Amino acid sequence: GEDVEQSLFLSVREGDSSVINCTYTDSSSTYLYWYKQEPGAGLQLLTYIFSNMDMKQDQRLTVLLNKKDKHLSLRIADTQTGDSAIYFCAESMKTSYDKVIFGPGTSLSVIP
Amino acid sequence: DSGVTQTPKHLITATGQRVTLRCSPRSGDLSVYWYQQSLDQGLQFLIQYYNGEERAKGNILERFSAQQFPDLHSELNLSSLELGDSALYFCASSSRTGTIYFGEGSWLTVV
Repeated sequence: GEDVEQSLFLSVREGDSSVINCTYTDSSSTYLYWYKQEPGAGLQLLTYIFSNMDMKQDQRLTVLLNKKDKHLSLRIADTQTGDSAIYFCAESMKTSYDKVIFGPGTSLSVIP
Repeated sequence: DSGVTQTPKHLITATGQRVTLRCSPRSGDLSVYWYQQSLDQGLQFLIQYYNGEERAKGNILERFSAQQFPDLHSELNLSSLELGDSALYFCASSSRTGTIYFGEGSWLTVV
């Protein structure tokens, strides 16, 4: 079946690194995404990775993809209070349309 | 700014009423998606349109309907509203590359 799982909560201290994990079940995924949702706001696309990549780095963000284990992670270096938000992992599959499955979201709390 | 525009941003209405939420996708994007986000259900996929045609249906109630017009904007119609329909409704659009961008959402409160 199609399912994306994430732990629901993560708490880190300001300045530390945060690692948000995600597992997915469909090996036919083409793209894997990380979205950020701040309180009262929409989903902001943070970064994405093609399924044929292992890693992608973008400033403070590092995405690691382990296709064998169907595991995706988002590392945020030097976490700031402004990083407090809900982070959604999502996978998309090319069928006859672009089908996107979202995880439940991980609520990241950054402690000053 | 994702380029996806949703109106209205906030809406308060009474039970039994009908509302229409509007979405303008990013320029050039042919696919439009609708999602519902509530506290207890999380982010739920409702429906997807591609170039005017329905492509996929998720957990959309029969009281809800949507359409995509020739200019590619989309509307989500919610009727016979119930208290449990109170939620944040997102529209998203994607291009051929498949990357999906979300609007800011429309907050619906049913009282």
